[in-house]
Amino acid sequence: SQQGEEDPQALSIQEGENATMNCSYKTSINNLQWYRQNSGRGLVHLILIRSNEREKHSGRLRVTLDTSKKSSSLLITASRAADTASYFCATPQDGGFKTIFGAGTRLFVKA
Amino acid sequence: DVKVTQSSRYLVKRTGEKVFLECVQDMDHENMFWYRQDPGLGLRLIYFSYDVKMKEKGDIPEGYSVSREKKERFSLILESASTNQTSMYLCASSSPLWGYNEQFFGPGTRLTVL
Repeated sequence: SQQGEEDPQALSIQEGENATMNCSYKTSINNLQWYRQNSGRGLVHLILIRSNEREKHSGRLRVTLDTSKKSSSLLITASRAADTASYFCATPQDGGFKTIFGAGTRLFVKA
Repeated sequence: DVKVTQSSRYLVKRTGEKVFLECVQDMDHENMFWYRQDPGLGLRLIYFSYDVKMKEKGDIPEGYSVSREKKERFSLILESASTNQTSMYLCASSSPLWGYNEQFFGPGTRLTVL
């Protein structure tokens, strides 16, 4: 299985609700990144959290990292229709020479 | 505004054709990457390059080659396209400290091989 695996695979919520996505990984990391991909487009970097950080905020995004459980979560508060996208976690591997992306969580926000 | 551009958004080729996918970045990044993205499989690394004329195989290099003659340009070559290479191809770049710094992605090329 992949280094980063997101859960759930798909999520459908109403505008204004919060969306939570989880990511699990297998090996030790020094950072974890989250990316967003709008339909049929490239990925856009959202946030990076380092292994010595437990929580990080950026606007309506909140990321947590639990290195003991090898897991991270991405919370989007007060979601908007424009947040509809796929979200990927990404972790470095091989000393940072590779970045491994999970299969992603597809988020659909209904207006 | 930082930018990674790819030569085509959509491409249709026939089996056996030689296919060139071009990627250009304007950020003076040392590192460049080619991924393919397939439903349910996420992004898989095909090749990467950490300097001009340098290249390293990723996880799925079979059937592909790359060229990096200039720092800003990274080309992916399908020597003889096959139907199982129908996919979305994404190019990305990053500065050194790769694995720590974000990757900047192009818009993708959706390739169909008939």
